[in-house]
Amino acid sequence: EPEVTQTPSHQVTQMGQEVILRCVPISNHLYFYWYRQILGQKVEFLVSFYNNEISEKSEIFDDQFSVERPDGSNFTLKIRSTKLEDSAMYFCASRDTSSGNTIYFGEGSWLTVV
Amino acid sequence: GDSVTQMEGPVTLSEEAFLTINCTYTATGYPSLFWYVQYPGEGLQLLLKATKADDKGSNKGFEATYRKETTSFHLEKGSVQVSDSAVYFCALYLLQGAQKLVFGQGTRLTINP
Repeated sequence: EPEVTQTPSHQVTQMGQEVILRCVPISNHLYFYWYRQILGQKVEFLVSFYNNEISEKSEIFDDQFSVERPDGSNFTLKIRSTKLEDSAMYFCASRDTSSGNTIYFGEGSWLTVV
Repeated sequence: GDSVTQMEGPVTLSEEAFLTINCTYTATGYPSLFWYVQYPGEGLQLLLKATKADDKGSNKGFEATYRKETTSFHLEKGSVQVSDSAVYFCALYLLQGAQKLVFGQGTRLTINP
């Protein structure tokens, strides 16, 4: 069964460093998302991406965050200068119109900022 | 705005007990409704879904019925197992307007043998 894959599974970084989280969405999907989950808290929407541009972003997704689809398969989330409060699990997800409204998630990337 | 409210956790049950996790929603349109499950140390997995009123989603013995009149999508299972221990998230998705999933706060379920 096709799945969303994410790398790395876990990354530890120093405060102020740049981080790039990578995702390979399901191949025929057209809509891409990043969500995050701070430990023990709810899953929060960060950004949605369609047709090579951001379609919506939350207030969490400030100027320190960016997304990119550098080629036909990868979808990345960059945090320019990490803060301690960016420590969370980051989930990539994708959807296509043939699956209706079902959004499929990757396994997540644990980011720890120290 | 659109929101999902789940029953407070954690929930602890004995094996073979009956499970209900309540979920209610507020939405301006006609959402699709989902339950996702997160097993310890893993990502979010789709458990079941319902796309319109009175639809029943089911999977792995779990069921939930889309009740428009009560704006609810309660998760039920007749006989839980230790392996059902996980965090369960109710979520809604609107095709109109903001096209994204909105999650409830999650309910941690622990099943004791």
